[in-house]
Amino acid sequence: AQSVTQLGSHVSVSEGALVLLRCNYSSSVPPYLFWYVQYPNQGLQLLLKYTSAATLVKGINGFEAEFKKSETSFHLTKPSAHMSDAAEYFCAVSEMNTGFQKLVFGTGTRLLVSP
Amino acid sequence: DTGVSQDPRHKITKRGQNVTFRCDPISEHNRLYWYRQTLGQGPEFLTYFQNEAQLEKSRLLSDRFSAERPKGSFSTLEIQRTEQGDSAMYLCASSLNGGLPGGEEQYFGPGTRLTVT
Repeated sequence: AQSVTQLGSHVSVSEGALVLLRCNYSSSVPPYLFWYVQYPNQGLQLLLKYTSAATLVKGINGFEAEFKKSETSFHLTKPSAHMSDAAEYFCAVSEMNTGFQKLVFGTGTRLLVSP
Repeated sequence: DTGVSQDPRHKITKRGQNVTFRCDPISEHNRLYWYRQTLGQGPEFLTYFQNEAQLEKSRLLSDRFSAERPKGSFSTLEIQRTEQGDSAMYLCASSLNGGLPGGEEQYFGPGTRLTVT
């Protein structure tokens, strides 16, 4: 069965600092991997996705993530945090061999950005 | 705005009552998903429709839950005899099956927050 582990329920950074949100996955088959962002009282918005085309994936709002099979990781980074990045971030995995995209989410990491 | 919409946004009900939520997907999307998100957790998959056919249901979807997608357009999720444990955010997402099934992009609605008192 697939699973996702997000280390750190809260991450605090200063504006302009590097953002690093950690995600490790478990999957018996090659996975699709996703990062979503959720702002208060809103649904989830896709930041980026890994579909085996390239290990370094660039997303919206300056975020990127690198797929490392040897470490079973898909960490999310952004070189310089902005106040508007404060939100909840979810990593998700989906198996490639199923007929539909059943997303399995981690428990989320709340990013706090201080001035 | 042609995104996914959900109605109502908030619902407060007493234990034992029935509730129904509606999801309107992006018009050309043929796939529709329901998820449940409890406080401090990530969303959990409930069920999936391909057009009007319900093809997958999670074990989380007890017999008190029923979902429909008549004519492959909007979808409804009904909870009968609500319990306090049903309190959660219910999220709907839609996608277009255009090739690689796992790599499709799901677009989420704003959710319906259910509070059972």
